[in-house]
Amino acid sequence: GEDVEQSLFLSVREGDSSVINCTYTDSSSTYLYWYKQEPGAGLQLLTYIFSNMDMKQDQRLTVLLNKKDKHLSLRIADTQTGDSAIYFCAESLDSNYQLIWGAGTKLIIKP
Amino acid sequence: DAGVTQSPTHLIKTRGQQVTLRCSPKSGHDTVSWYQQALGQGPQFIFQYYEEEERQRGNFPDRFSGHQFPNYSSELNVNALLLGDSALYLCASSFLQGADNSPLHFGNGTRLTVT
Repeated sequence: GEDVEQSLFLSVREGDSSVINCTYTDSSSTYLYWYKQEPGAGLQLLTYIFSNMDMKQDQRLTVLLNKKDKHLSLRIADTQTGDSAIYFCAESLDSNYQLIWGAGTKLIIKP
Repeated sequence: DAGVTQSPTHLIKTRGQQVTLRCSPKSGHDTVSWYQQALGQGPQFIFQYYEEEERQRGNFPDRFSGHQFPNYSSELNVNALLLGDSALYLCASSFLQGADNSPLHFGNGTRLTVT
């Protein structure tokens, strides 16, 4: 069945780059997403990549997709304290009728 | 431009009761999806509504039902509440592009506690 896996925690120093990794199982995924969730809040769409792309860059965010290995990563350059949150990876099935989500990676920023 | 809005923000109910949660989609969006997020987990798809009809449903019992109104807003109803229904309920909206949905935009959710 479908499954999306992420590490539960990532700790980085302020100003360094953060790389959050995700693996998925369904090779027919059309879009892959990164969402950010701050405490007590809903999910904020950060960026997404179509499955026929290898890379997408948006300001401090870089998404890399390796379809062969079914591996997705999110790189946040110059990590700031405001980047502290849980980051969810999700893959879409069935023309985006539903998303399959990872359990989220908590990004911890050290001063 | 208002994003997705949900009400209420918090709700406490007793086992066996019924609850209705409400959602207004982002301006320009015509499709509403509902997700359940248990503590420490990713969201689970409940169902999606388009043109006032349920398009697809996740693995949730019939106690979970929904409705979409002509103005695209939506309600999620849960009957015969169980303790395990305690969760954050998230509404997401999108618009249909041909056969595909645009990326989902989420509201801040309704925190439901069942005692």
